Amino acid sequence: DIQMTQSPSTLSASVGDRVAITCRASQRINSWVAWYQQKPGKAPILLISKASTLESGVPSRFSGSGSGTEFTLTISSLQPDDFATYYCQQYNSYSPITFGQGTRLDIK
Amino acid sequence: QVQLVQSGAEVKKPGASVKVSCKASGYSFPNFGIGWLRQAPGQGLEWMGWISPYTGNTDYAQKVQGRLTMTTDTSTNTAYMELRSLRSDDTAVYYCARGPSSNPFDYWGQGTLVTVSS
Repeated sequence: DIQMTQSPSTLSASVGDRVAITCRASQRINSWVAWYQQKPGKAPILLISKASTLESGVPSRFSGSGSGTEFTLTISSLQPDDFATYYCQQYNSYSPITFGQGTRLDIK
Repeated sequence: QVQLVQSGAEVKKPGASVKVSCKASGYSFPNFGIGWLRQAPGQGLEWMGWISPYTGNTDYAQKVQGRLTMTTDTSTNTAYMELRSLRSDDTAVYYCARGPSSNPFDYWGQGTLVTVSS
């Protein structure tokens, strides 16, 4: 199976900060990466698919980049609603779907 | 609007089985696959498998293969996930989610807590 190594595991930041979360795949997966946001007690929400395609309704301060094995989720200016846990997911068709371990984004 | 509504929380003893339902509305149920995922307390997301309501084709994660059965009922737009021979480490919130095979999941159910305890 393809392993997704996500970093950092926790991140403390302030409203207005620019933050980045990284996922590294154990093998090349083109751009088959999605990013989710999850808040406590709630289901995940799809933010980005195919590494950089913003889902409908997702604020433009979220962006994704990368291809091959290195992928990044960037939030350009943190808002209070953004403090949550973020997961990357790979969906290469030749391998079972796997997720990163998650990054908890806390208020500093 | 697209909605996936799951059945309620379950408490089961080790060795028992659990069946969780996921009723879809707001879209053409046969045209989109349904994935099942779980999240143990305080842990990350784990993909368990996927089913096509149109063909009935399934794809299960190796970890649960042999204990897991996914089915759908297109007359009621409902997907089902049955996990057998439950163990304490199956305690988790179980989610259904909409998505074609090998694709992200764009809509999720609210989650069903399954607790396995003697």
